[in-house]
Amino acid sequence: QTVVTQEPSFSVSPGGTVTLTCGLTSGSVSTRYYPSWYQQTPGQGPRTLIYSTNTRSSGVPDRFSGSILGNKAALTITGAQADDESDYYCVLYMGSDIWVFGGGTKLTVL
Amino acid sequence: QLQLQESGPGLVKPSETLSLRCTVSGGSISSSNHYWGWIRQPAGEGLEWIGSILHSGSTYYNPSLMSRVTMSVDTSENQFSLKLSSVTAADTAVYYCARHETLHYYYMDVWGKGTTVTVSS
Repeated sequence: QTVVTQEPSFSVSPGGTVTLTCGLTSGSVSTRYYPSWYQQTPGQGPRTLIYSTNTRSSGVPDRFSGSILGNKAALTITGAQADDESDYYCVLYMGSDIWVFGGGTKLTVL
Repeated sequence: QLQLQESGPGLVKPSETLSLRCTVSGGSISSSNHYWGWIRQPAGEGLEWIGSILHSGSTYYNPSLMSRVTMSVDTSENQFSLKLSSVTAADTAVYYCARHETLHYYYMDVWGKGTTVTVSS
């Protein structure tokens, strides 16, 4: 069974840039997986950040960007702020109307 | 503005069936461009896609849960439902309903706030 992989944790300094990735245990992530990204702060529900690889959801600051880097989907935060400290989840559309979440990345801003 | 609201018992006994409902407001559940789905999150853990349903009643389930999951839709009430049978403590989680965009981009674009379900005797 293919698993969607993410870094368990990452840290970034305020004002810094960080790139979180989303891969597959078997194969490469491409745009055909329509990678999407979600932000979740403690006690809150997920917030949609990025869809279809690189399209920002309404109201999402442009410091968040999505891309394909090598064989993975990537979420880059440029100019990280304290309130970006959250859990970030990627989701891949596997086809046949099935979606799979990655395990999530806990981002610390310090 | 489309909103989703989960509802259902917060406590379910082991081996029984968990039943939740998601009420859609501010839009129609009969959209052909959207599926309606459920995602769950055990405390301190990640998100897990459970499955989704189209307004026609076509269903799509996570293979790991397929044997225990049933989803249904009530277009007259603008609601869809989740049933998870034979629950154990491992099914204790926050359950979210979410709209899935399926015309072009295949992602979850609107989320409910979530409801906590505890499995315990």
